Amino acid sequence: DTGVSQDPRHKITKRGQNVTFRCDPISEHNRLYWYRQTLGQGPEFLTYFQNEAQLEKSRLLSDRFSAERPKGSFSTLEIQRTEQGDSAMYLCASSWDRARGAFFGQGTRLTVV
Amino acid sequence: RKEVEQDPGPFNVPEGATVAFNCTYSNSASQSFFWYRQDCRKEPKLLMSVYSSGNEDGRFTAQLNRASQYISLLIRDSKLSDSATYLCVFTGAGSYQLTFGKGTKLSVIP
Repeated sequence: DTGVSQDPRHKITKRGQNVTFRCDPISEHNRLYWYRQTLGQGPEFLTYFQNEAQLEKSRLLSDRFSAERPKGSFSTLEIQRTEQGDSAMYLCASSWDRARGAFFGQGTRLTVV
Repeated sequence: RKEVEQDPGPFNVPEGATVAFNCTYSNSASQSFFWYRQDCRKEPKLLMSVYSSGNEDGRFTAQLNRASQYISLLIRDSKLSDSATYLCVFTGAGSYQLTFGKGTKLSVIP
């Protein structure tokens, strides 16, 4: 499968714990996005990488959230001290040209209990 | 005015019907436009790009009206498998992100 891959697919964690998600983009794509989606809403932008550089972060992004893309290939998204409001689907997408849109992975569904 | 506005629906249409959705955007500097399709509890999937000249892909036709700042999606001969949420998406100048609408839910009824 040469699509965008995300791991894990599901994560249940207790409030206050840290979680980390991984995204492996399509191999030739240098652009990588993280989004969050809750029920009934469209995906909400979190952050953007071009190669290893994080070029944009949402102003709404709490400092508990951090993302990396150390070698310009896979990326990780970490949430520290999780809160119930963090429960959502976390989506990763990749692209080689913004004008051609982006392709999404299947997402990681986070439940904070 | 919100960045992007879509009628959430639901649009309930019989099989074979033609249905159209609009999506308005507020940023006149928006550059690229897309329609995505999202099935329940699945990831969004790129359906088609939207060009000013209009573009067609089988039963789907997309149109961009820059003067009135909206895009449209027309689905002809609706199939049961077209039931999904349709998200309009655009890119803007000065930002790398793809901005998504909340989506329009379509249900095609036998």
